[in-house]
Amino acid sequence: QSVLTQPPSVSGAPGQRVTISCTGSSSNIGAGYDVYWYQQLPGTAPKLLIYGNNNRPSGVPDRFSGSKSGTSASLAITGLQAEDEADYYCQSYDSSLSGSVFGGGTKLTVL
Amino acid sequence: QLQLQESGPGLVKPSETLSLTCTVSGGSISSSNYYWGWIRQPPGKGLEWIGSIYYSGSTYYNPSLKSRVTISADTSMNQFSLEVNSVTAADTAVYYCARRGGSRGWFVVDSWGQGTLVTVSS
Repeated sequence: QSVLTQPPSVSGAPGQRVTISCTGSSSNIGAGYDVYWYQQLPGTAPKLLIYGNNNRPSGVPDRFSGSKSGTSASLAITGLQAEDEADYYCQSYDSSLSGSVFGGGTKLTVL
Repeated sequence: QLQLQESGPGLVKPSETLSLTCTVSGGSISSSNYYWGWIRQPPGKGLEWIGSIYYSGSTYYNPSLKSRVTISADTSMNQFSLEVNSVTAADTAVYYCARRGGSRGWFVVDSWGQGTLVTVSS
């Protein structure tokens, strides 16, 4: 069981907006630690999508956005495209474990 | 451009030691701006931090694996390594080497190796 909780799956039609939640606790997200998001396309290594809660590395489309509130964070994807079909992971730091923790991952299906 | 490449046996027998090396090119593991670490992903499952090492030699290990894991670095070869001893089938996974830290945050992983599948089986 992961320290950060994500829904196992979400889906949406092309062009729609989907959100993926990441729920933590007072020892990680709620303690003010940054949240990061990664996209993992099938058969490939994860790729950084969002850093510092809501910042995109260069090259990441502005269709992807992150937010954080309290003990939770969210990744939003607008204008859904077939190429967005992937697994998405959130990550933060946990002070109780003194280390980084990942969410269990969410599989996005584009209908 | 930074590149990380894992190498090591793809098959390890139960109770033996899993050993992997990550060769870094396009950047130095002696940089004070980054940690260098290992992350694994069992088939069909999520990501798990194993541990990381800093240029000073200080290490962090996931508490759930700490008793079996050692991460070391060879700055002359610009490589860092992972050892997991007393492996079981539960250690079967794709193992990624990675870099974390930098201007985007101390815990962000901004570079990943391609990953290598290690299977534990007799």
